[in-house]
Amino acid sequence: AQSVAQPEDQVNVAEGNPLTVKCTYSVSGNPYLFWYVQYPNRGLQFLLKYITGDNLVKGSYGFEAEFNKSQTSFHLKKPSALVSDSALYFCAVRRYNFNKFYFGSGTKLNVKP
Amino acid sequence: EAGVTQFPSHSVIEKGQTVTLRCDPISGHDNLYWYRRVMGKEIKFLLHFVKESKQDESGMPNNRFLAERTGGTYSTLKVQPAELEDSGVYFCASSHDDRGTEAFFGQGTRLTVV
Repeated sequence: AQSVAQPEDQVNVAEGNPLTVKCTYSVSGNPYLFWYVQYPNRGLQFLLKYITGDNLVKGSYGFEAEFNKSQTSFHLKKPSALVSDSALYFCAVRRYNFNKFYFGSGTKLNVKP
Repeated sequence: EAGVTQFPSHSVIEKGQTVTLRCDPISGHDNLYWYRRVMGKEIKFLLHFVKESKQDESGMPNNRFLAERTGGTYSTLKVQPAELEDSGVYFCASSHDDRGTEAFFGQGTRLTVV
């Protein structure tokens, strides 16, 4: 069965510090990997994706994520957190040539001044 | 370009009533998806349309849920009769291409069944 795990319900970080939001996955075949962010009362916004190529992908708002095939992980990172980054983050995976996204349970990121 | 829009944003109904959620995808997107997030858990797939055809409805919980996409444009998701466990946030998404592209999500409809 396909699944995505976000082991942390909540991540707290001080503004200016680096942040990491963890994601591991289990999927048959080659995965397509995504990160989405949800701000309060808003829909899911696409941040970045890994399809193929360089394992380090860069996305919106200074976020990046590293695909690690051996560890089946796709952790989201940012070198310097902003208070405005506080939101709910979802990791998602899609199997090659399939349409369905599998999502994690979400991680709430709290960035404190 | 307008994004994916969903109506209503919130709905509170009594157990046994009927509710219809609507989704307007991004113009030109053939792929339309419905997802649901219940009680802070993961976002779960409900079904996928390609134009007006149901490509995959393996995530539909039971026959109280009916999705349509007449004409291949907007979609509706009807819950009849609603049960308490149907409460959650229902997301709609659309995508232009089904090969590795991201989907664009609406703001969701928060359904509360009391």
